[in-house]
Amino acid sequence: GAGVSQSPSNKVTEKGKDVELRCDPISGHTALYWYRQSLGQGLEFLIYFQGNSAPDKSGLPSDRFSAERTGGSVSTLTIQRTQQEDSAVYLCASSSPSSGEETQYFGPGTRLLVL
Amino acid sequence: GDSVTQMEGPVTLSEEAFLTINCTYTATGYPSLFWYVQYPGEGLQLLLKATKADDKGSNKGFEATYRKETTSFHLEKGSVQVSDSAVYFCALMRRSNYKLTFGKGTLLTVNP
Repeated sequence: GAGVSQSPSNKVTEKGKDVELRCDPISGHTALYWYRQSLGQGLEFLIYFQGNSAPDKSGLPSDRFSAERTGGSVSTLTIQRTQQEDSAVYLCASSSPSSGEETQYFGPGTRLLVL
Repeated sequence: GDSVTQMEGPVTLSEEAFLTINCTYTATGYPSLFWYVQYPGEGLQLLLKATKADDKGSNKGFEATYRKETTSFHLEKGSVQVSDSAVYFCALMRRSNYKLTFGKGTLLTVNP
């Protein structure tokens, strides 16, 4: 079946602009995760959704970052007033822990470059 | 807090050589342990996992054993191939929050 998909695959923006990154999880997966991969910091957890609620937002680096999930499916990560240090690959993953599937399956990522 | 330490590499081997990538972790309780692989230009893929002490995960000739006494999950393969060239990430997950904590990654290059 279809895996996790993310769009856009690449995004170039100017400092100070807002960006939206989209994630479509595997159908039926109740849990959705956002991570960030950068050269300096490696792979970092950002936020986790169970259904439409986010019990763990501990990894969001600042209040410029927000995320939402609607209908228990698609999620959007929004970065406001982007800064150059936001440049990274943003990865989405999904899983279905309630059905015993704790393995997280990753999408291809969105590569964000802030000029 | 939780942490994962793995050898940073890069690791360069000849085809058919033996591979070990060390991974140790710090976490309370009994986390699940994972190895993910990222091939050039591709996304993260699960390679293998183990969910409790003494479990052995295996896939594509790779193996790793969950050692609670040494808090380790070392990745091994008896005979590497050029196609194994990739970045390998060790990770842990506590079932209380399902958050993956990753090591820094190890770049493996296998030469023919």
